[in-house]
Amino acid sequence: GAVVSQHPSRVICKSGTSVKIECRSLDFQATTMFWYRQFPKQSLMLMATSNEGSKATYEQGVEKDKFLINHASLTLSTLTVTSAHPEDSSFYICSARDPQRGDSGIQYFGAGTRLSVL
Amino acid sequence: GQNIDQPTEMTATEGAIVQINCTYQTSGFNGLFWYQQHAGEAPTFLSYNVLDGLEEKGRFSSFLSRSKGYSYLLLKELQMKDSASYLCAVRDANYQLIWGAGTKLIIKP
Repeated sequence: GAVVSQHPSRVICKSGTSVKIECRSLDFQATTMFWYRQFPKQSLMLMATSNEGSKATYEQGVEKDKFLINHASLTLSTLTVTSAHPEDSSFYICSARDPQRGDSGIQYFGAGTRLSVL
Repeated sequence: GQNIDQPTEMTATEGAIVQINCTYQTSGFNGLFWYQQHAGEAPTFLSYNVLDGLEEKGRFSSFLSRSKGYSYLLLKELQMKDSASYLCAVRDANYQLIWGAGTKLIIKP
């Protein structure tokens, strides 16, 4: 149980294009999902908290117009990197909590998306 | 500010025992998590401590002392597949997860 699917696993795109990353909870309903960014040899950096049916909450320093988050259903959140540039190249990971499991806030992670912007 | 400290890198021998320490200073405390992350992959949940003491789960155990702001992850009977980064994360008073930078564990034959 508590499986989170993230797609695509790897994206290579040209500078200026937009990239959409999907995060799905496969066997539970996730009212809250999280989007992280991780640079090589560094820890996870929370970008935003995605809430179903409402606007995402962005962390300080994260441009909400650059990183568009949509959480339209209880099982799907998307992150769109708009007008991507080489400095946006990173490992993006989503996670979700399963409120029904009573796991005290354990986050279950997707497999991650490695974005390379040329 | 909020801070979580763990060693950057550790090396251990296959079959041995290793202890990875984590100290934290956060605004409030609502639980401590350990995750394992293999290179290029997403983290996977290992353990959760909210009360003082030792939680044992197979070859892995996690200990917490809230008064000392300290936790450790103990890995026994090390296997080559245990080579990974181990992330310590603390949930603060606002239920936000604060992540440590991770400890890269290298297992040698």
